[in-house]
Amino acid sequence: NAGVTQTPKFRVLKTGQSMTLLCAQDMNHEYMYWYRQDPGMGLRLIHYSVGEGTTAKGEVPDGYNVSRLKKQNFLLGLESAAPSQTSVYFCASRTWGGYTFGSGTRLTVV
Amino acid sequence: DAKTTQPTSMDCAEGRAANLPCNHSTISGNEYVYWYRQIHSQGPQYIIHGLKNNETNEMASLIITEDRKSSTLILPHATLRDTAVYYCIALGDTGNQFYFGTGTSLTVIP
Repeated sequence: NAGVTQTPKFRVLKTGQSMTLLCAQDMNHEYMYWYRQDPGMGLRLIHYSVGEGTTAKGEVPDGYNVSRLKKQNFLLGLESAAPSQTSVYFCASRTWGGYTFGSGTRLTVV
Repeated sequence: DAKTTQPTSMDCAEGRAANLPCNHSTISGNEYVYWYRQIHSQGPQYIIHGLKNNETNEMASLIITEDRKSSTLILPHATLRDTAVYYCIALGDTGNQFYFGTGTSLTVIP
């Protein structure tokens, strides 16, 4: 039982490049979330999904898109990366018993 | 989900009990109080949760006031490895949104 797996763990992008962060969970959870965490700050919700085929905006959605084509996967896309998107990205899935987080993706945009 | 407020930072001497307070005055009847902690840049880790009764597990104890407007997480014998940011959150069963806030940065002092 792997829980929540995020790939990649590290990435450096040039401004304007695009990329997709993958989150996979094997716990059959309905709810999945993408957060970003900047140095010294708390977690801020980017987008979330309450089930396969559904997505919704969180607190800081601008510059990101998401898709939930399969229940176990939640993808976060950056179409045109900006230095302001340098951050650590955490994916989480949730059931009634609470959250399970991935180990994070450290993204640097130069 | 109800918003929560926590002190920004706290110190605790090694071996002593660490008592971390949380206010959740707008919590609704079906929302649980959850505690998570985040060590360095790792993903947040589940500690404990409760509805209205006090709870204890191998990591900590959770004391919830009778009116459920506040709670206290107790780490009975703090160690250096307990230095982390502790998040208190109120979680219902809809999964529609979830805000962590900035948490309490606990420093355990030798």
